[in-house]
Amino acid sequence: QKEVEQNSGPLSVPEGAIASLNCTYSDRGSQSFFWYRQYSGKSPELIMSIYSNGDKEDGRFTAQLNKASQYVSLLIRDSQPSDSATYLCAVNGGSGGYNKLIFGAGTRLAVHP
Amino acid sequence: NAGVTQTPKFQVLKTGQSMTLQCAQDMNHNSMYWYRQDPGMGLRLIYYSASEGTTDKGEVPNGYNVSRLNKREFSLRLESAAPSQTSVYFCASRGQGGTGELFFGEGSRLTVL
Repeated sequence: QKEVEQNSGPLSVPEGAIASLNCTYSDRGSQSFFWYRQYSGKSPELIMSIYSNGDKEDGRFTAQLNKASQYVSLLIRDSQPSDSATYLCAVNGGSGGYNKLIFGAGTRLAVHP
Repeated sequence: NAGVTQTPKFQVLKTGQSMTLQCAQDMNHNSMYWYRQDPGMGLRLIYYSASEGTTDKGEVPNGYNVSRLNKREFSLRLESAAPSQTSVYFCASRGQGGTGELFFGEGSRLTVL
């Protein structure tokens, strides 16, 4: 079992809709959770980090964390074509410690006009 | 601001040849990382270094060696390249505290024939 699991997609949503991206992780001791966005041919860039159970909002993005269920999600409201990218979930802490940061396989999001 | 610089950006090798990917960061970060990215596989951690003088194996270390030459530089060596090592390689660095954000280089595309 991979440490961090994501649905590879593609997830296709119409412009203006809410895109929901999900991620599960296997190490119950994990403490820090990140969402990165990667455009084709580019390097990943951080869009959200979350450390505590509950929701964290930043503009059109909301990260949700449920440590009991070992689940973290990213909601993108009012999706735009420019949001079309691969979204990577990353997790660290737990048995690997702060410095070992593991990524999921990524979910490809396509926002169509 | 250079950030994280990787060289070379492109390289073609024959099976059995060796090469070293170089990475340097100018952000005074303690932690540095090497990931590989293959289609549909997300980012897989090869090796990481929590501080100068220390290195640790990640998810897929076989066939690779690393050197943390000093705080700025972290190199990845392929001693005997294999076609399975054809990939895009990303170096990243990370400071202590803050958001825990990884800062990535632009990537190095390696093809092994």
